[in-house]
Amino acid sequence: AQTVTQSQPEMSVQEAETVTLSCTYDTSESNYYLFWYKQPPSRQMILVIRQEAYKQQNATENRFSVNFQKAAKSFSLKISDSQLGDTAMYFCAFTVAGGYQKVTFGTGTKLQVIP
Amino acid sequence: DSGVTQTPKHLITATGQRVTLRCSPRSGDLSVYWYQQSLDQGLQFLIQYYNGEERAKGNILERFSAQQFPDLHSELNLSSLELGDSALYFCASSVDQLANTGELFFGEGSRLTVL
Repeated sequence: AQTVTQSQPEMSVQEAETVTLSCTYDTSESNYYLFWYKQPPSRQMILVIRQEAYKQQNATENRFSVNFQKAAKSFSLKISDSQLGDTAMYFCAFTVAGGYQKVTFGTGTKLQVIP
Repeated sequence: DSGVTQTPKHLITATGQRVTLRCSPRSGDLSVYWYQQSLDQGLQFLIQYYNGEERAKGNILERFSAQQFPDLHSELNLSSLELGDSALYFCASSVDQLANTGELFFGEGSRLTVL
């Protein structure tokens, strides 16, 4: 069974600064996807970024980037130039590539961006 | 707007009652997932359907059941409700499993309060 662990229940960052959220996972699979989802106070779950395990290059989406360490089974999210709108719960998620695979979520990190 | 529609958005009921939550996936998506999010908790996977058939089951209680209909909408039935069932119930959908990239598209959730 796959597990996803987020060891930081809460974090805070000053506006315009950079913050890194940690995530580790456990799997015996070789081909899978990793995700970071954002849940703002509106509670809508929004995909932030996705990483395919077979790609060595770290994914980047504007101010969001990941540090994917496959051997270490680590998948951290870096938010640069933090904005007030980044305040949200952030969930790390994992799914095995291929059909019929459920997505497993971590317990989340609550990020507060301070003005 | 993710394209996933959940109704009702809010529901208040009493212990012992039964409720039905409804989900319409994005147009073209064949997979529907149900997740439960209790207060300040992560997302717990309940069940997945693909094109009308159950594909994966998580920590879903025997008091809960779900189905996916021929038009691909899904319903989650919760019966003999207990106080601990109070939670946000998310429905998510994904593309055809042959092209599965793992990304889930979430509805806005149904907030269930059991008094």
